[in-house]
Amino acid sequence: RKEVEQDPGPFNVPEGATVAFNCTYSNSASQSFFWYRQDCRKEPKLLMSVYSSGNEDGRFTAQLNRASQYISLLIRDSKLSDSATYLCVVNIGYTGNQFYFGTGTSLTVIP
Amino acid sequence: DAGVTQSPTHLIKTRGQQVTLRCSPKSGHDTVSWYQQALGQGPQFIFQYYEEEERQRGNFPDRFSGHQFPNYSSELNVNALLLGDSALYLCASSLIFSQGATEAFFGQGTRLTVV
Repeated sequence: RKEVEQDPGPFNVPEGATVAFNCTYSNSASQSFFWYRQDCRKEPKLLMSVYSSGNEDGRFTAQLNRASQYISLLIRDSKLSDSATYLCVVNIGYTGNQFYFGTGTSLTVIP
Repeated sequence: DAGVTQSPTHLIKTRGQQVTLRCSPKSGHDTVSWYQQALGQGPQFIFQYYEEEERQRGNFPDRFSGHQFPNYSSELNVNALLLGDSALYLCASSLIFSQGATEAFFGQGTRLTVV
């Protein structure tokens, strides 16, 4: 079983739409959680960390449900510049920080 | 702060050859992890180095080996290259232990093509 599972999409949405990505993780000892963004042929870059209480950064909202081992990312008012692959990342850090990635969800925002 | 640097950026090798990729972590970081990212896939964990030792390893054959130097920089070596080794190889820099959540910082990657 993979450490992190994501719906690969692709998601094709019009500008201004709201889109949600989901992710599940298998290791209940996972300690911290992130969403990374990866543009075509570039390296992944941190979009936001995900906290147990949920957190928001502008148009982006991340949620964590430890009981269900589930992470989500909501993007409101999608912009063309949001087109990218979004990677769910879990830090299984009980012996030191170690990061596992989902396969990524592809988003294309259409004019 | 130069961030995470990787070299070379692109490489073409022939089947059966050997390759060495290099990574310098972000200043202040002590841990380097290597990932393989095939086209259309998420990064797959190869291994992690800390204190010049391999601490964790993903599901990769022994053809993949590495090294970490006293200055925390790292090398990834792949022997007996196969066509399927063609991928983007990413180096991630982090702290092995930290208070609270910590992120991994990535280099721009080395794109390896095996022909």
